[in-house]
Amino acid sequence: DIQMTQSPSSVSASVGDRVTITCRASQGITSWLAWYQQKPGKAPQLLIYAASSLQSGVPSRFSGSGSGTDFTLTISSLQPEDFATYYCQQAYTFPLTFGGGTKVEI
Amino acid sequence: QLQLQESGPGLVKPSETLSLTCTVSGGSISTNNYYWAWIRQPPGKGLEWIGNIHYSGLTYYIPSLESRVTMSVDTSKNQFSLQLSSVTAADTAVYFCARRDKSDHFDFWGQGTLVTVSS
Repeated sequence: DIQMTQSPSSVSASVGDRVTITCRASQGITSWLAWYQQKPGKAPQLLIYAASSLQSGVPSRFSGSGSGTDFTLTISSLQPEDFATYYCQQAYTFPLTFGGGTKVEI
Repeated sequence: QLQLQESGPGLVKPSETLSLTCTVSGGSISTNNYYWAWIRQPPGKGLEWIGNIHYSGLTYYIPSLESRVTMSVDTSKNQFSLQLSSVTAADTAVYFCARRDKSDHFDFWGQGTLVTVSS
C-alpha cells in the first residue's frame, strides 16, 4: 500500500495567514492526489483533485501543487471558516489511501 | 444536487454483522462513470477506504477487510449497502458512503453514521 504522510499534524494560525500543508507519498503517484477539508461532526469535502484542480464551488484561496511524491495545499489568506482538518488522498493505485490529517487551529 | 444518506443500526454486538445502506438521491446510481464507496473513520482518527461497488455489481474491497466485507447494490431503490461480519471494537467508527469519481477521488459524501460495537 502507498503510505501518505502529512506534515505538520497540526498548525496554529490566525485569520489572514498563509498556510501550507505538505503531503508525501511513499512512492511516486504522478499527479493523482486529492485534498479534503473536514469540520468536526461533518463529512469531508473535496477541495482539490489531480493535485492542482480546484473542485467546483471551492474558494480560489485554496490551491494545490506538486507531483511525484511531494505535494502541498496552500490557503492564501485563512478565513474563519477554514479552521478544520485537512486530508490528502492518493488516487494512483488501489487501495486508495489517505494521509493522517492536518488540523488547522487558532 | 446529488445527496447520499447512510442508514442502519448505531449499535452492533461483537461477532455480529454490521449492515448499512446508502440511499442516493438527486441522481441515478446506474451511471457508468462512477463507483459507490464506503469509507470509515474511527473516533478521533483518520479516514480508511473500505471499498466500492459499481451499479453492475463489480466490487473492490481492501485486502485487510476482504474476508469480512460484502457490498451490494439495488438499482431499483437507488441504494447500495455494506455488510461487515464478525465485528470487534476495532470496527467502531463513523461510516461514510461516497461517490468515487473516475479520477478516483470522492466528490460527494453522506453525512456519516456512527456505528459502535459493544455488548
